[in-house]
Amino acid sequence: GNSVTQMEGPVTLSEEAFLTINCTYTATGYPSLFWYVQYPGEGLQLLLKATKADDKGSNKGFEATYRKETTSFHLEKGSVQVSDSAVYFCALKNAGGTSYGKLTFGQGTILTVHP
Amino acid sequence: EPEVTQTPSHQVTQMGQEVILRCVPISNHLYFYWYRQILGQKVEFLVSFYNNEISEKSEIFDDRFSVERPDGSNFTLKIRSTKLEDSAMYFCAREAAGETQYFGPGTRLTVL
Repeated sequence: GNSVTQMEGPVTLSEEAFLTINCTYTATGYPSLFWYVQYPGEGLQLLLKATKADDKGSNKGFEATYRKETTSFHLEKGSVQVSDSAVYFCALKNAGGTSYGKLTFGQGTILTVHP
Repeated sequence: EPEVTQTPSHQVTQMGQEVILRCVPISNHLYFYWYRQILGQKVEFLVSFYNNEISEKSEIFDDRFSVERPDGSNFTLKIRSTKLEDSAMYFCAREAAGETQYFGPGTRLTVL
């Protein structure tokens, strides 16, 4: 079955530090990959996505590249801010013959950024 | 993208009681999903709903759970005979086209 593994957290950084959150996956076929963010007390928000190998998703300074050869989708940001403090979830969707389907999530990584 | 709204934001119930969680209002969307997140754990898929029918469900979605669109717009999750382990945040998501699911803010269910 499908699975997503994220790096263990929590991650604590100082403002303007470089961020990497590792994500690897196991899936059949060609899944689409996503990063969702959950700010304190809120629901899940789509951060970025990539639908095929070598695609790079980007948003709000965050980037992730779909690496089929290493089955990875690591999240990076060059300079984090205090406002980036949240829980980050890597997820995949194995669409099969359609573009619809359930998301399989990783366990989430708590990021705390200090001033 | 239009928001997904959920009510109530927090539901407290006694063990054994029935609860109904709502996604409102939704229109012109084809696929709907329910997920749950037990405190501190990963988000888990419960059920997907397409064309007024369940298209897929997980092992968590046992016979105490049901979903429906009672009036063509609201999308509800009903849990009968609630258990302590049902306590979680429940998220509704919708998907109209492409491959992006948009989530509601969630309903926190507390079973006492």
